[in-house]
Amino acid sequence: TQLLEQSPQFLSIQEGENLTVYCNSSSVFSSLQWYRQEPGEGPVLLVTVVTGGEVKKLKRLTFQFGDARKDSSLHITAAQPGDTGLYLCADTTSGTYKYIFGTGTRLKVLA
Amino acid sequence: SQTIHQWPATLVQPVGSPLSLECTVEGTSNPNLYWYRQAAGRGLQLLFYSVGIGQISSEVPQNLSASRPQDRQFILSSKKLLLSDSGFYLCAWTLGMGFAPLHFGNGTRLTVT
Repeated sequence: TQLLEQSPQFLSIQEGENLTVYCNSSSVFSSLQWYRQEPGEGPVLLVTVVTGGEVKKLKRLTFQFGDARKDSSLHITAAQPGDTGLYLCADTTSGTYKYIFGTGTRLKVLA
Repeated sequence: SQTIHQWPATLVQPVGSPLSLECTVEGTSNPNLYWYRQAAGRGLQLLFYSVGIGQISSEVPQNLSASRPQDRQFILSSKKLLLSDSGFYLCAWTLGMGFAPLHFGNGTRLTVT
């Protein structure tokens, strides 16, 4: 059974600081997705990465997929209170219809 | 545009009572449908998914069951709730297989007392 571990579990920072959260898999990702979830709502897709070594940028967010496709990182530059939420990585598991989610990183950005 | 509706938003049920949560999708055909459960502030646990009417794949063999009576309707049920069934239940849909995004409803907060 594939396990997706995210670290840190919880992160509290001041507005303007930079941060990186990580997602590590016990097996190779088919493709990796990052979602953000706000309290009382469902997760919303931020990005999909497919190729090992791939880097994608979404405004102040930079997503990197490890060369071996077993890990990924999300870097946020100059964090803002609006970045607060639960960040989840997910594997789309090639050949199946299942989406397996990580353990999550809860981010709180203080004004 | 596509929308997903999930209800009720919150539910408080006594131990041993039955459960029925409903999810419907509008604006698309033949979606893949999913039920996830989330413990407070944590990741999502896949419970069931369906790729067609009447087809259900179970990931967690507990006292929960799912049904898909219509193309865009997905129901999560239990005959007798346990305390451990408390959590945040999320329904989601996607199309095809592979890299497509999951689109989630706003969830049901279930508290079993």
